[in-house]
Amino acid sequence: AQTVTQSQPEMSVQEAETVTLSCTYDTSESDYYLFWYKQPPSRQMILVIRQEAYKQQNATENRFSVNFQKAAKSFSLKISDSQLGDAAMYFCAYRSAGEKLTFGTGTRLTIIP
Amino acid sequence: GAVVSQHPSWVICKSGTSVKIECRSLDFQATTMFWYRQFPKQSLMLMATSNEGSKATYEQGVEKDKFLINHASLTLSTLTVTSAHPEDSSFYICSAADRVPPYEQYFGPGTRLTVT
Repeated sequence: AQTVTQSQPEMSVQEAETVTLSCTYDTSESDYYLFWYKQPPSRQMILVIRQEAYKQQNATENRFSVNFQKAAKSFSLKISDSQLGDAAMYFCAYRSAGEKLTFGTGTRLTIIP
Repeated sequence: GAVVSQHPSWVICKSGTSVKIECRSLDFQATTMFWYRQFPKQSLMLMATSNEGSKATYEQGVEKDKFLINHASLTLSTLTVTSAHPEDSSFYICSAADRVPPYEQYFGPGTRLTVT
């Protein structure tokens, strides 16, 4: 079975600084997707970034980028120029093609003004 | 962008009664919808996968007779918590999967259920 591990229950960063959230996963599949979701206090799940496993290039979305290391099964999220609105729970998730999402346990990110 | 709604957003019911939660994909059709349960400060736990026109697939440990799922159309899935008890109090989230690759899942805003 696929597993997703987030080893950092909590992280904090000064506003405008950069922070990296870690995620590792385990799978025997070769075709899959990896995601980072943000869950703010409203509890609405928001997709931050998606990475297709067949793509070697790391995905980026404005201030958010990933470091995807397929061989190491590592998928970290880097948030640059952190803003107060980035404060939330961040979940790493895995999905093979057309299947269900498997979530990590989450990392609570606090932004220090 | 794709929008998924849930209704109600918050419900309080008495122990022993049933409550129905609706999940709708507003601007796209979803062959597959998912139901999650989330306890405070924890991750999302998949309860069941709902496929339009067929029976839901429940995850191990989830009581199918207690959590009834119906997916009658390509835009609506419902979760009914039957004979609710206080331990069923939780935050329930649905997601709807797009029908085309990469089968993106879009999440509803969630429903907070409190059983008294």
